Amino acid sequence: EIVLTQSPGTLSLSPGERATLSCRASQSVTSHYLAWYQHKPGRAPRLLIYGASSRATGIPDRFSGGGSGTDFTLTISRLEPEDFAVYYCQQYSNSRYSFGQGTKLEIK
Amino acid sequence: EVQLLESGGGLVQPGESLRLSCAASGFIFSNYAMSWVRQAPGKGLEWVSVISASGGTTYYADSVKGRFTMSRDNSKNTLYLQMNSLRAEDTAVYYCATREGFSDSSGYYRFFQDWGQGTLVTVSS
Repeated sequence: EIVLTQSPGTLSLSPGERATLSCRASQSVTSHYLAWYQHKPGRAPRLLIYGASSRATGIPDRFSGGGSGTDFTLTISRLEPEDFAVYYCQQYSNSRYSFGQGTKLEIK
Repeated sequence: EVQLLESGGGLVQPGESLRLSCAASGFIFSNYAMSWVRQAPGKGLEWVSVISASGGTTYYADSVKGRFTMSRDNSKNTLYLQMNSLRAEDTAVYYCATREGFSDSSGYYRFFQDWGQGTLVTVSS
């Protein structure tokens, strides 16, 4: 089973700043099988990035994903007030899926 | 517009059973694999199970294998999760999601595209 570890656990930033979130896998992940989601309390999770770097439909271009192998990143270039939420990375391998434990992005 | 509406959650005692449903609309349900994902109170997202578009293949997380059964009725555009022998640690909001899978020149992709709002399952005596 591939374990995803996200860091930091909590990131405190101000609107307009740049956010960099990390997702590290316990073993190599095929880039096509790595996705990122945004989740706000009481709402459905929202797909942001699939295939490690492809933005989902309707996602603003301030969101970008990168990385390969065991290290992946989600970058938000200039934070907007609506971006403060919890972010999860997710992988698929051997017919199983797993999520990282999440990074909470909070307003400083 | 894709809509996924979960129902069937509630309060049950340990050892009891519950069946969740997810009514789908706005897309061709029978063309998509589907999945259940849960979130325990104060915890992160946890993948639970996935079912193929036809319903012929299912996979489960180790934490629910042997206790939960996922199924679908493509004639009713509805997804199900039969949960037996429930434990306190199964307490969570359960989400259904479409499992997107497509290929292009560089490979095959798998991710969860659209999600419902979730239904709360509480297991407590």
